Amino acid sequence: AQKVTQAQTEISVVEKEDVTLDCVYETRDTTYYLFWYKQPPSGELVFLIRRNSFDEQNEISGRYSWNFQKSTSSFNFTITASQVVDSAVYFCALSGLDDKIIFGKGTRLHILP
Amino acid sequence: DAMVIQNPRYQVTQFGKPVTLSCSQTLNHNVMYWYQQKSSQAPKLLFHYYDKDFNNEADTPDNFQSRRPNTSFCFLDIRSPGLGDAAMYLCATSRRARKAKLFFGSGTQLSVL
Repeated sequence: AQKVTQAQTEISVVEKEDVTLDCVYETRDTTYYLFWYKQPPSGELVFLIRRNSFDEQNEISGRYSWNFQKSTSSFNFTITASQVVDSAVYFCALSGLDDKIIFGKGTRLHILP
Repeated sequence: DAMVIQNPRYQVTQFGKPVTLSCSQTLNHNVMYWYQQKSSQAPKLLFHYYDKDFNNEADTPDNFQSRRPNTSFCFLDIRSPGLGDAAMYLCATSRRARKAKLFFGSGTQLSVL
């Protein structure tokens, strides 16, 4: 069975601080894909990144960076120099051989001015 | 420029009164999904269409039905809503590939009185 665990239910940081959102996954598939989505207060989930299981390179996109480690089955997301607009719920997700995308329960991030 | 449009944004229905939620897309994607999201929970996949092929999740109640009359439109029918069906319903689309990212609509918040 596939599973995505986001242990942090809610995080609050002061603006300009760095924050890391944790994601741990379980799958028996050797080929799989990992995703992060952002859900702002408006409700629409927005795709942030996709990573396949054969590519363990970390990625940086502006203030966002992702750390994929197969050895620990983790795909963590870091926001550097956080801004109030980063306040949202962030979901980690997993897609395996069955074509379904399974979401974690999400981490609600509050960036305080 | 909305690409996945859900109507209405808020829907109120009475216990047991059938309700239909709608979703349209301008992306010409093959796959359309319906997710149910309850407060502070992960989006839960109800069913999805690969073109006209309907794929129901094993644990989706029979009370939930779907129609896809053409590529652009997909409907979620709840035949006899119960109080437990109050939730946000999210429509999403993707290309026909496991690694494809999902494009979400803004969701319909359903209340059952």
